[in-house]
Amino acid sequence: DAGITQSPRHKVTETGTPVTLRCHQTENHRYMYWYRQDPGHGLRLIHYSYGVKDTDKGEVSDGYSVSRSKTEDFLLTLESATSSQTSVYFCAISESRGAFFGQGTRLTVV
Amino acid sequence: KQEVTQIPAALSVPEGENLVLNCSFTDSAIYNLQWFRQDPGKGLTSLLLIQSSQREQTSGRLNASLDKSSGRSTLYIAASQPGDSATYLCAVFTSGTYKYIFGTGTRLKVLA
Repeated sequence: DAGITQSPRHKVTETGTPVTLRCHQTENHRYMYWYRQDPGHGLRLIHYSYGVKDTDKGEVSDGYSVSRSKTEDFLLTLESATSSQTSVYFCAISESRGAFFGQGTRLTVV
Repeated sequence: KQEVTQIPAALSVPEGENLVLNCSFTDSAIYNLQWFRQDPGKGLTSLLLIQSSQREQTSGRLNASLDKSSGRSTLYIAASQPGDSATYLCAVFTSGTYKYIFGTGTRLKVLA
């Protein structure tokens, strides 16, 4: 257990509203990641962070932004949610023993 | 750009069979490769991590091998059980990128 907590676990939101998902870790890991998982696409990297205020885009970053003002928190924001962003979102950390994942957030945009 | 492929996409076997899942990647400059298991509606559970300098790792009935030069890894499951039914994912951490890139997974069903 790498001490990763995602919140909320489930959320339904309306198209056009902003949404922020939170990933919290308790073990001071440097690298953190946000993925989305969709049927037929597997896990796709949205954004990642390699330190406080150090972030970069993944392969599906359009429509998403991130912030990391503290080591323990990595926030994913959908500025204006669209139906195509309905998905399961996973946060992960990586360290010497590999990558470890949170339990996921199921987001539905209606 | 690193691309990871898993074959087959789905597999159904009778209980007790030994089986092999395949993972291939296009860029051999990897730092490590990791195998995960995912049950329906759940998160990912780490099974085995192979560092780039290693050839294989074993945990119980699971054995993962790595051939960097050919861009391949295999996950061998011995004496499969219905409880092994899940989706198995591999991910590679490419050197110098900080990123884990995933394959689309193999959905395994072990029939009692």
